[in-house]
Amino acid sequence: NAGVTQTPKFRILKIGQSMTLQCAQDMNHNYMYWYRQDPGMGLKLIYYSVGAGITDKGEVPNGYNVSRSTTEDFPLRLELAAPSQTSVYFCASRGTQGHTHTDTQYFGPGTRLTVL
Amino acid sequence: GNSVTQMEGPVTLSEEAFLTINCTYTATGYPSLFWYVQYPGEGLQLLLKATKADDKGSNKGFEATYRKETTSFHLEKGSVQVSDSAVYFCALSYNQGGKLIFGQGTELSVKP
Repeated sequence: NAGVTQTPKFRILKIGQSMTLQCAQDMNHNYMYWYRQDPGMGLKLIYYSVGAGITDKGEVPNGYNVSRSTTEDFPLRLELAAPSQTSVYFCASRGTQGHTHTDTQYFGPGTRLTVL
Repeated sequence: GNSVTQMEGPVTLSEEAFLTINCTYTATGYPSLFWYVQYPGEGLQLLLKATKADDKGSNKGFEATYRKETTSFHLEKGSVQVSDSAVYFCALSYNQGGKLIFGQGTELSVKP
């Protein structure tokens, strides 16, 4: 199992550009999450999904969009990049043990995004 | 609302020293509590967790006890190693969606 994978590792964008951060997991997890981590701060939840076709906003959704067309993939879209979106972005997933959802999230390695 | 507060870092210790990183929380209901660790250049990994009052989570020599009366989940290790140098995050999970609320993280640096 590769676990949770994210691409790209690094990216520099100009203000107003758009991009998609990719996230995939091969653990057949229903729940997936996107967080951002700003320097000296904890992670803040951007969006999450409880299964294919279902997404919902987290604490800081403005400026982002997500989709969940498959169980494996959960891309995060930035439409009009702004300097305030400079951050490290982490994707995570959560699955089940038997018939019960566990409360453990598995994180990807992150994408470091700079908007200039 | 729900929140997590951790002691500020960075924390610098010598090898074999005793470690405590304080964590307190505010939450309605009965959240699950976690410690995640982030090694340089990597994503977060679950270190330990506790799901109810008085539970003790432990892993790799680290321990934390869920104290409902003091709303705390302090991380301890009796003898730290250089390889423990990382950022440690306290977090709580507060509903069926399993969403996590994180503290701001505490950077630990262990010197030989």
